Amino acid sequence: DTGVSQDPRHKITKRGQNVTFRCDPISEHNRLYWYRQTLGQGPEFLTYFQNEAQLEKSRLLSDRFSAERPKGSFSTLEIQRTEQGDSAMYLCASSPILDSLGQYFGPGTRLTVT
Amino acid sequence: GEDVEQSLFLSVREGDSSVINCTYTDSSSTYLYWYKQEPGAGLQLLTYIFSNMDMKQDQRLTVLLNKKDKHLSLRIADTQTGDSAIYFCAEILNSGYALNFGKGTSLLVTP
Repeated sequence: DTGVSQDPRHKITKRGQNVTFRCDPISEHNRLYWYRQTLGQGPEFLTYFQNEAQLEKSRLLSDRFSAERPKGSFSTLEIQRTEQGDSAMYLCASSPILDSLGQYFGPGTRLTVT
Repeated sequence: GEDVEQSLFLSVREGDSSVINCTYTDSSSTYLYWYKQEPGAGLQLLTYIFSNMDMKQDQRLTVLLNKKDKHLSLRIADTQTGDSAIYFCAEILNSGYALNFGKGTSLLVTP
């Protein structure tokens, strides 16, 4: 399968702990995106990479969130000092340089903060 | 940001047509998308339409775009039980990369 993959699929953590998620995009896609989805809502944009450069961060991405894409391939999203409000599905998407083809989403990582 | 509006629920009988409506916010959006999300799954890109088009047909799917009213619709012909899912419309924002999604329309197809 050559789609977007995310790891882990589920994560349960205690409040105050740090968590890190990984995303592997479709191999020929140089754009990578992170979104967050809560129950009953559509995905909300968090951040965007073109190759290894992080070009945009949403105001939703507080100081406790950091994302990297060190070699322009896989990406990690880290949340420090997790809070219960961070509980959500974290979705990664990738796209080729041509926007018309749309963004292709992975299955998501479901985070539960207890 | 502003909200992309969609009705929350739609129920149709198997074999009928379904029409899911969406009002988007950014008149300068170059592309508009429809995504499908099944329970516990990620989002599947169904189709898209370029802003200079009025209509796009792709097998059982027909997308209609009314730019003046910023209205987008997705028609599914001969709806099947496997089409039961949440359907999201999304606009690409002025930034050129972030997608702005509606809350989704939950489609239930009954036999």
